[in-house]
Parts: sequence; structure tokens; C-alpha cells
Amino acid sequence: AQSVAQPEDQVNVAEGNPLTVKCTYSVSGNPYLFWYVQYPNRGLQFLLKYITGDNLVKGSYGFEAEFNKSQTSFHLKKPSALVSDSALYFCAVRDDAAGSNYQLIWGAGTKLIIKP
Amino acid sequence: DTGVSQDPRHKITKRGQNVTFRCDPISEHNRLYWYRQTLGQGPEFLTYFQNEAQLEKSRLLSDRFSAERPKGSFSTLEIQRTEQGDSAMYLCASNPSSGNTIYFGEGSWLTVV
Repeated sequence: AQSVAQPEDQVNVAEGNPLTVKCTYSVSGNPYLFWYVQYPNRGLQFLLKYITGDNLVKGSYGFEAEFNKSQTSFHLKKPSALVSDSALYFCAVRDDAAGSNYQLIWGAGTKLIIKP
Repeated sequence: DTGVSQDPRHKITKRGQNVTFRCDPISEHNRLYWYRQTLGQGPEFLTYFQNEAQLEKSRLLSDRFSAERPKGSFSTLEIQRTEQGDSAMYLCASNPSSGNTIYFGEGSWLTVV
């Protein structure tokens, strides 16, 4: 069955330190992986995606994510956190296996808090 | 701004009333999605259109919910006989059939009192 896990409900990081938000997935085919960010009372904003190619993908606002097929992970990273990065982050996956639909499977979200 | 547009942004209604939300997708995006999100949770898929055809509908969606996309452009989501459990943010998203990334609107908050 398709699934996405974000094992941490909340991640706390000091401003200027590197941050990692974890995501693992399970699909039967090849994964299409996405990260979105949500600020309070707002919709979801697309950050980055992995479809194919380089395992390290770069996205908006200085974020990047590394696709690791053997560990079925797609962790979100940023070298130096900003207070303005504080938000809710969602990982999502789509399965490209034959017979799958177009639907994204969503993680439960990770609240990122950056402390000054 | 040519992003996904949703209206109204906020709606407070009494239990038992009907409400309708509108979504205008990004121009030329032929796929349109409705999601529901409650506080602290990820988006929950409701339904999906390709052009004017409603291709998929969540089994979780009660028959009080109906969505349309009559001309393959904007879409409406109607909730009849609202219940307190319907209180949530209703998100619309769109993408072209040639693309993998879906783009969300700012959402429509519904509070049923």
C-alpha cells in the first residue's frame, strides 16, 4: 500500500543552524516525491519535487531534498535556518505504477519551529 | 497574480444550511482537485476533475457534498445540510495534464456553528 511517514510532529532548530525534516515513503512503482510548506491560515505552497534524475533536488527559499531509494526517504534540508522558515511542512508521494491514480498520498505534516 | 483563486476565504454558517465554494484554477490547467484539511492534519482528497469530467470521488465524501466543473474552467463545491464536523479548510488545487506538480489556492475556511 502507498504511504508516507513524517516521523516527527515537530522539529525545533536554532536560527542559523542546519535543519532536516524527515520523510519516508512506500510505493509499489517509482515515486514522484514532493514537499509543500503551509503558513498559518494559508494554502500549501510547492517547495520542490523529485521525479527522476539527480538525487539532490533544489527548491524554493534555499531548501533542498535528497532522494534515497535504498532507504525510501526524501528528507528536506536547509543549510542555515531562518525564523521565517517556521511553518508546517508536508511530504507527499505519487506512485507511477500501472493502475495507480493521480492522487498524492500526504504525510501528516511536521511543524518546524526556528528559534532566534 | 494568476494562481488558484478561491472564494469566499471564510464562511460561517449555521448547522443545516447549505454553503458553496468556488475555485478558479490556473488558466489552462485542465485538472482540478478539491481537498479538505482540518487543523494539524494533512490534506484529505475529496474529488478530482479532468476538464469538466469528475473522474474520481473519495469514498469518504458523503452525499451531502457535490462538486461541479460545468465548462471545464471554474469549479464549485457545495455542502448541503452542513454539520459541525464539516468545519475545515477546503482547498482547491490545479495542474496541467502534462505536469506533475499541483498548485493550491489559499483555501476556504468553513465554520459551522
